[in-house]
Amino acid sequence: DIQMTQSPSSLPASVGDRVTITCQASRDIRKFLNWYQHKPGKAPNLLIYDATNLETGVPSRFSGSGSGTDFTLTISSLQPEDYGTYYCQQYDSLPRTFGGGTKVEI
Amino acid sequence: QVQLRESGPGLVKPSETLSLTCSVSGDSISRYYWTWIRQSPGKGLEWIGYIFYNGGTSYNPALKSRVTISRDTSKNQFSLTLTSATAADTAVYYCARSRYGSTFDRWGQGTQVTVSS
Repeated sequence: DIQMTQSPSSLPASVGDRVTITCQASRDIRKFLNWYQHKPGKAPNLLIYDATNLETGVPSRFSGSGSGTDFTLTISSLQPEDYGTYYCQQYDSLPRTFGGGTKVEI
Repeated sequence: QVQLRESGPGLVKPSETLSLTCSVSGDSISRYYWTWIRQSPGKGLEWIGYIFYNGGTSYNPALKSRVTISRDTSKNQFSLTLTSATAADTAVYYCARSRYGSTFDRWGQGTQVTVSS
């Protein structure tokens, strides 16, 4: 299985901060990576697919970059509604696997 | 607006079978791939498997011997069956829609299942 490692595991931040979350794959996954936001008690929400593409309806302050083994999710100016846990997920191979999550606390 | 809702027992006894159903509205399960994912404190998010638009299935090898995902197209529902449950199966279980088997673009809110006597 491909292991996905996220850092940091938690991230205290303030409104207006630029926030960067990293995700590293245990082997080359090309561009086959997604990012999700999850708030307690709610359905997870797809933010970025194919490493860099913004899902319809997601604010443009979210962006993704990277390919191969190293990926980044950036929130350009953190908003109060951006609290939650962020996960990366690879789809280069089966089984699909997720990172351990980064909890963003505002 | 596509909506998914998980349902099933919240408590399962060890060695018994865990069964959950996902009811889908706003889309047909004869399109896309339909997925089960779980989240436990010890293992984070874990992909369990999916059922394809044509009824085919694919499972996580770690669970393959105990898992079955099936569907009822007349009710627009798909289901998860996990046999020989143990405490390690205690988790929040999510159903989700998957584009091309790669990207989970619509999720249910999840249902807590506890395996305990």
